Amino acid sequence: AQSVTQLDSQVPVFEEAPVELRCNYSSSVSVYLFWYVQYPNQGLQLLLKYLSGSTLVKGINGFEAEFNKSQTSFHLRKPSVHISDTAEYFCAVKWGGSTLGRLYFGRGTQLTVWP
Amino acid sequence: KAGVTQTPRYLIKTRGQQVTLSCSPISGHRSVSWYQQTPGQGLQFLFEYFSETQRNKGNFPGRFSGRQFSNSRSEMNVSTLELGDSALYLCASSSRGESQETQYFGPGTRLLVL
Repeated sequence: AQSVTQLDSQVPVFEEAPVELRCNYSSSVSVYLFWYVQYPNQGLQLLLKYLSGSTLVKGINGFEAEFNKSQTSFHLRKPSVHISDTAEYFCAVKWGGSTLGRLYFGRGTQLTVWP
Repeated sequence: KAGVTQTPRYLIKTRGQQVTLSCSPISGHRSVSWYQQTPGQGLQFLFEYFSETQRNKGNFPGRFSGRQFSNSRSEMNVSTLELGDSALYLCASSSRGESQETQYFGPGTRLLVL
């Protein structure tokens, strides 16, 4: 069965420190990978996506992620975080085939940036 | 372009009632998906509509239903509400609902069942 695992439910970090949010998924056959961010009382906003090609993808707000097919991972990184990055981050996967547009989400990682 | 809009933003209902939520996709988008978000279960897929047809359905009871109109606007209905239906309901749209497309999310409708 398809599944997405975010290994850390909460990640506290100080401002200007680097951060990595981890994401693993169950199968790398025909996958499309996304990271979304959710601020309080808002919907989901796309940070970045991997469809094909270069395994390192860059997104908005200085975030980047690396697709690792052998480890079925798609970890999100930022070299220096700001207070405004405090939010919940969701890794999401689409598998090609009959599931078409359906997104499978991880449980989310709450990133809290402290001054 | 205007983003995905959802109405109402907040709803309070009591057990046993029914509720209808509305979603207007981004102009030109023909695929609309619905997700339920709760603290206990996270984000779960409800269903997807494309050109007025339900194309995909998640693992929810029959009390949850939806439809899509010819202008791509979508509604979802929950009948005989239960306390556990309290959640944020998110709608997302994409152009054709294909796997490689980005889904753009609305702000959600927060439903509280008392």
